Amino acid sequence: AQSVTQLGSHVSVSEGALVLLRCNYSSSVPPYLFWYVQYPNQGLQLLLKYTTGATLVKGINGFEAEFKKSETSFHLTKPSAHMSDAAEYFCAVSFNQAGTALIFGKGTTLSVSS
Amino acid sequence: DTAVSQTPKYLVTQMGNDKSIKCEQNLGHDTMYWYKQDSKKFLKIMFSYNNKELIINETVPNRFSPKSPDKAHLNLHINSLELGDSAVYFCASSQRRQFYGYTFGSGTRLTVV
Repeated sequence: AQSVTQLGSHVSVSEGALVLLRCNYSSSVPPYLFWYVQYPNQGLQLLLKYTTGATLVKGINGFEAEFKKSETSFHLTKPSAHMSDAAEYFCAVSFNQAGTALIFGKGTTLSVSS
Repeated sequence: DTAVSQTPKYLVTQMGNDKSIKCEQNLGHDTMYWYKQDSKKFLKIMFSYNNKELIINETVPNRFSPKSPDKAHLNLHINSLELGDSAVYFCASSQRRQFYGYTFGSGTRLTVV
């Protein structure tokens, strides 16, 4: 069965430090991979996505992620954290199969301290 | 110009009542979804419609009934509300044949008292 695992429910970094949020997936077919961000009391906003092609994908707000098939991972990084990056981050996976939907990880809360 | 709009944004109601949440998208997408986000922020698919046809119907109480009058609208009706139904409900849409991710609405926070 397909699933998504986000390692670490809470990550704390200092402003200016590297952000690394981990995501691993389980799939028997080629996945589409996504990262979404949710700010307090708001909806989900797409940060970036991998469907096909280049395995290093760049998204909004300086985030990027690399699809590593051999490791079944899609970790999210940002070189330098800003206070405004504090939010909930969700990794999600989908498949080009009828009757399937986006499957979310349990989320990682990112805290940024000054 | 909101792409996926849900109404109402907040809904407070008593146990036993019946309520509806409406969702509309103006993106021209052919597939719409309802997700439930619980108190631990876990997001789970409830239903999905493709061109007004129900294609995903997860294990949810039959008190929840989706209705899609056309491919731009997907409403959620909930009968006999219970305390455990309190959550944030998100509507989303996507274009099935060209999968570039879902666009989400801003959510409806349902509180059952």
